[in-house]
Amino acid sequence: SQQGEEDPQALSIQEGENATMNCSYKTSINNLQWYRQNSGRGLVHLILIRSNEREKHSGRLRVTLDTSKKSSSLLITASRAADTASYFCALGSGGSYIPTFGRGTSLIVHP
Amino acid sequence: EPEVTQTPSHQVTQMGQEVILRCVPISNHLYFYWYRQILGQKVEFLVSFYNNEISEKSEIFDDQFSVERPDGSNFTLKIRSTKLEDSAMYFCASSGTISTDTQYFGPGTRLTVL
Repeated sequence: SQQGEEDPQALSIQEGENATMNCSYKTSINNLQWYRQNSGRGLVHLILIRSNEREKHSGRLRVTLDTSKKSSSLLITASRAADTASYFCALGSGGSYIPTFGRGTSLIVHP
Repeated sequence: EPEVTQTPSHQVTQMGQEVILRCVPISNHLYFYWYRQILGQKVEFLVSFYNNEISEKSEIFDDQFSVERPDGSNFTLKIRSTKLEDSAMYFCASSGTISTDTQYFGPGTRLTVL
């Protein structure tokens, strides 16, 4: 199974700014999920986007998927200090329903 | 909102000892999973469980590991003889059906093997 590669590895912004994180992968997927993990805590599911979808929104979150470029982006608009966390993309591919996690992007939002 | 719970939040054990990590999945979910995350590394799949049997497991899930659903609510991960390299966060997750794909994770148990 393949894993996604998140970019950048670390991102530091000021409160109110937008944060964009990217995930690239190598072979075809069935779906892609974004999760958030606060330091030392569990994973919180944010959004699932299927391979036949191009964009999904949830509150301040916007996820896009470009299967031709084999990449996805997570945009957090009007960031808050509470958005400080690590963000992971997880790929669902092949016949397995087990998501494969990347190494994550560490986001710091300064108040 | 229903959530996955895990106990204990932190477990410290001596090398060679057995540990049991406990999880209470979301009550109407049918699929259960264990993952681990070694400090600073990515989340790794260990095992999935459905209909009282293992449905998929990774190469990490060797004979030292076992899972059980002893009653209608708990889902446990047992490590028979812990090693130093078993030190990690262990996450339980559950999902309703395969078709929903979304897995909901518990807060994790931090296992420290001395």
